[in-house]
Amino acid sequence: DAGITQSPRYKITETGRQVTLMCHQTWSHSYMFWYRQDLGHGLRLIYYSAAADITDKGEVPDGYVVSRSKTENFPLTLESATRSQTSVYFCASTRREEGEQFFGPGTRLTVL
Amino acid sequence: GQNIDQPTEMTATEGAIVQINCTYQTSGFNGLFWYQQHAGEAPTFLSYNVLDGLEEKGRFSSFLSRSKGYSYLLLKELQMKDSASYLCALHSGNTPLVFGKGTRLSVIA
Repeated sequence: DAGITQSPRYKITETGRQVTLMCHQTWSHSYMFWYRQDLGHGLRLIYYSAAADITDKGEVPDGYVVSRSKTENFPLTLESATRSQTSVYFCASTRREEGEQFFGPGTRLTVL
Repeated sequence: GQNIDQPTEMTATEGAIVQINCTYQTSGFNGLFWYQQHAGEAPTFLSYNVLDGLEEKGRFSSFLSRSKGYSYLLLKELQMKDSASYLCALHSGNTPLVFGKGTRLSVIA
């Protein structure tokens, strides 16, 4: 199906474990983004990518790693999960940097 | 940097009109977005303003004043399904989109 998907939708993990959240879009959009959303903070940008093999830090990048070997995929890895990374994570994509962003359904991550 | 301010919560009555304000400080303004987000769901695009003035789209309108650093989202003929969070987001210079913390709107009967 066309669109933007995220997996898993729900994840529970333990402190110190590595976790990878997947994001896949079928529109061939150049730009992709990872946000986290927490009560009281709204949506905050973690990392973004302007094209394959080009990534940049956002507002809250510490503790996260991204890669973009293919245009359609933009995985987000928590190298050693901490409780403070418990959040809802949204992936988004857009054709142009200033364009409307299309969001995936989100991944609810709980770190125990 | 950028600073975006929105009210945290608002309540309005079904059938009424509500105005959700967004004020911002920035340099190099490019455009301002409004997104709607229902509880437990992803944000979805509502409107985009680049120039001053009112953009109307059905029951929803968005207004921008660049000189005042001010925007508002106007929702007419409120319906229960309009209960959601409304996110103001700013695009400035060469930086990615920055979101405000959102306004949670409750529509009551």
